[in-house]
Amino acid sequence: AQSVSQHNHHVILSEAASLELGCNYSYGGTVNLFWYVQYPGQHLQLLLKYFSGDPLVKGIKGFEAEFIKSKFSFNLRKPSVQWSDTAEYFCAVLEGSWGKLQFGAGTQVVVTP
Amino acid sequence: DVKVTQSSRYLVKRTGEKVFLECVQDMDHENMFWYRQDPGLGLRLIYFSYDVKMKEKGDIPEGYSVSREKKERFSLILESASTNQTSMYLCASSPTSNSYNEQFFGPGTRLTVL
Repeated sequence: AQSVSQHNHHVILSEAASLELGCNYSYGGTVNLFWYVQYPGQHLQLLLKYFSGDPLVKGIKGFEAEFIKSKFSFNLRKPSVQWSDTAEYFCAVLEGSWGKLQFGAGTQVVVTP
Repeated sequence: DVKVTQSSRYLVKRTGEKVFLECVQDMDHENMFWYRQDPGLGLRLIYFSYDVKMKEKGDIPEGYSVSREKKERFSLILESASTNQTSMYLCASSPTSNSYNEQFFGPGTRLTVL
């Protein structure tokens, strides 16, 4: 089974600061990768996904992620965060043929005004 | 829009009770999933189903069972609830397409077992 590591459990930053959340996975073959976000009191929703092609993936709300195969990484970035980006962020990797996802432990991000 | 609904947002049960958590999706998705979400542990897969009456164990199936009698409905059953099953339970669904396996999540059920 795959494993997914998110290195930061809690991140606190000010508005307009840049954000980078680390994600590493264990599998060395072809991977499909996701970032999900859970805003306070809301459903978990997809932020962006990588299946193939351009390793720099753009998602909703100004987020992007870079797939680096040699480092087994899929880090999430946003150049300038807003207070509304306060949320929990989950990295996930697709496993098997039935759409099963393996999730990381999540990173709680708090953006202060 | 895909809609995944869960029968309760909050539930309080006593140790030893049988608990049913219901999930319904309205997009004719083949795959459905039950996760539990705990602080510092992320989402852990309990069971999933890729078709009616089909089920597969996830990473933490002990103490749980599931039922999928209709395509749109996937039920999670705690045969005898225990305090260590206090958690947030999330249901999700996804289509079978190999190109896009995005999972769509419900709002969650926060279960407290006393």
